[in-house]
Amino acid sequence: EPEVTQTPSHQVTQMGQEVILRCVPISNHLYFYWYRQILGQKVEFLVSFYNNEISEKSEIFDDQFSVERPDGSNFTLKIRSTKLEDSAMYFCASSSFSGANVLTFGAGSRLTVL
Amino acid sequence: EDKVVQSPLSLVVHEGDTVTLNCSYEVTNFRSLLWYKQEKKAPTFLFMLTSSGIEKKSGRLSSILDKKELFSILNITATQTGDSAIYLCAGGANNAGNMLTFGGGTRLMVKP
Repeated sequence: EPEVTQTPSHQVTQMGQEVILRCVPISNHLYFYWYRQILGQKVEFLVSFYNNEISEKSEIFDDQFSVERPDGSNFTLKIRSTKLEDSAMYFCASSSFSGANVLTFGAGSRLTVL
Repeated sequence: EDKVVQSPLSLVVHEGDTVTLNCSYEVTNFRSLLWYKQEKKAPTFLFMLTSSGIEKKSGRLSSILDKKELFSILNITATQTGDSAIYLCAGGANNAGNMLTFGGGTRLMVKP
């Protein structure tokens, strides 16, 4: 069954460092998303991306965050200068079309900021 | 602000029991209600509901939506230890971003 793959599975970084989380969405999907889950809290929407541009973003997704689809297969989330509160599990997801909200999620990248 | 609330927070049952998980939602431009199962890693899709009163079934799992009361339930009959997981409910918006608002989840533990 097609799946969304994410790397790394776990990253530890120092506060203030830049991190890039990578995702390979399902190949025929056109819509891409990042969600995050702080330990013990709800899964929260960060950003959605379609046709090489952001279609929606939450208040969490401030200037420290950016997304990019650098080639035909990867979708990345960059955090420019990490803070302690950025520690969370980051989930990438994709969907085939926006007419239904069915997202397929990756296994997540756990980010720990020290 | 959109909100999805799940109850109970956690549930411990024995194999063979039937459980009902609850989800209430307030989502602007509501389009659909989704259930996901989260074990150690990725949330995996269970159901998407868009119409009231139509039960969706998959094996021992079933779900129904009430758009008047803004409520959905997920039933699991004849529970097995493999059903142990966190069950997430999410409200889907009809907007450009196709955004999901998640509830806090119900942690289900099924004991042998």
